[in-house]
Amino acid sequence: DQQVKQNSPSLSVQEGRISILNCDYTNSMFDYFLWYKKYPAEGPTFLISISSIKDKNEDGRFTVFLNKSAKHLSLHIVPSQPGDSAVYFCAATPTGNQFYFGTGTSLTVIP
Amino acid sequence: NAGVTQTPKFQVLKTGQSMTLQCAQDMNHNSMYWYRQDPGMGLRLIYYSASEGTTDKGEVPNGYNVSRLNKREFSLRLESAAPSQTSVYFCASSEAAGQGTAHTFGSGTRLTVV
Repeated sequence: DQQVKQNSPSLSVQEGRISILNCDYTNSMFDYFLWYKKYPAEGPTFLISISSIKDKNEDGRFTVFLNKSAKHLSLHIVPSQPGDSAVYFCAATPTGNQFYFGTGTSLTVIP
Repeated sequence: NAGVTQTPKFQVLKTGQSMTLQCAQDMNHNSMYWYRQDPGMGLRLIYYSASEGTTDKGEVPNGYNVSRLNKREFSLRLESAAPSQTSVYFCASSEAAGQGTAHTFGSGTRLTVV
């Protein structure tokens, strides 16, 4: 049973616009959340994270929002660039040992 | 700066064969992980090692064994490969287990079992 869900397999956005990637989770014990970016034939690379004590974390063009009551987090990329085209995975952990990943959203940024 | 190195990158096995996937990290990380990625399933944790000398089961450990050989190396063994183990395998490491740490991943091993 998937505890972390990314319901949009793909997303296309024009260059310069905002990309919003969504992630839902079911386990209320999750208290640390991460986003990873993955290019083809490479391993995922860490992008940004957020602890459950916060509702927002920002790093340059990337912002993660956490809504604990809705068990929902989102990643905003502003402005989107062609180099952002990749698969994005959200992940969550209750303990820092066991991590649960979503199925990924493939983002295409159109020049 | 190599980071996390996995070998081999590709492998084809026949059903019933055994093999070991190798993983080494040069970042002096304490924790290491093995994941598999299947279409529509995301990454699922097979085993992890929170520190040298310890290993624990993850979400999908059946059919696998692991060895934390030393702080740098964490291997994954398939004793009797099955077609259901066809997948892309990723090794990862982190500075420590616990909050506030992110994984550094290797580039993956694509395994096909026929």
